[in-house]
Amino acid sequence: DGGITQSPKYLFRKEGQNVTLSCEQNLNHDAMYWYRQDPGQGLRLIYYSQIVNDFQKGDIAEGYSVSREKKESFPLTVTSAQKNPTAFYLCASSLTGYEQYFGPGTRLTVT
Amino acid sequence: GDSVTQMEGPVTLSEEAFLTINCTYTATGYPSLFWYVQYPGEGLQLLLKATKADDKGSNKGFEATYRKETTSFHLEKGSVQVSDSAVYFCALRPNSGGSNYKLTFGKGTLLTVNP
Repeated sequence: DGGITQSPKYLFRKEGQNVTLSCEQNLNHDAMYWYRQDPGQGLRLIYYSQIVNDFQKGDIAEGYSVSREKKESFPLTVTSAQKNPTAFYLCASSLTGYEQYFGPGTRLTVT
Repeated sequence: GDSVTQMEGPVTLSEEAFLTINCTYTATGYPSLFWYVQYPGEGLQLLLKATKADDKGSNKGFEATYRKETTSFHLEKGSVQVSDSAVYFCALRPNSGGSNYKLTFGKGTLLTVNP
């Protein structure tokens, strides 16, 4: 079964802790993306990667970091520097220049 | 920069009613246009797409036509079902230049269909 998996579905952390969200795809897609979704808002791009070992900042990269050591994996770390980390995080992937496919999302709550 | 404007929701309809969700965009050139659907607590699913002017995307009874002259991509369905209740997002992606990876989304329109 091809697709994108994100884990965990729900994540709870205390303020001041870093947390890493997992994203894996077995679609053989070159590009991967992380978005943040807040209630009543569209999606905002955090980071994207078009190739292994390379990634670029999106519109709201501050307080986040990523790595792309394998084609299948694109983990996102939410650092303590992110002022409002509570949100729904969506990972996506695509072949370069084609439509993006999304994972099921991780809901992060920081208290 | 690029932008997408969707009609504000929520939209509440009775089953079998006709649905229109308006979407207009601002972009240079000829972007590709998409409609995504998000069911409660889930990620986004691609519903339909159109890559050039006058193209009609269709899927599961939903349709949208790429209108370059009015920069619009309105979503329609002739007879909605309760199972269509979801949030619908309009999005665009440039087809040229350094940003041809990037999706720009509207804010989403919540549709509720009552039996």
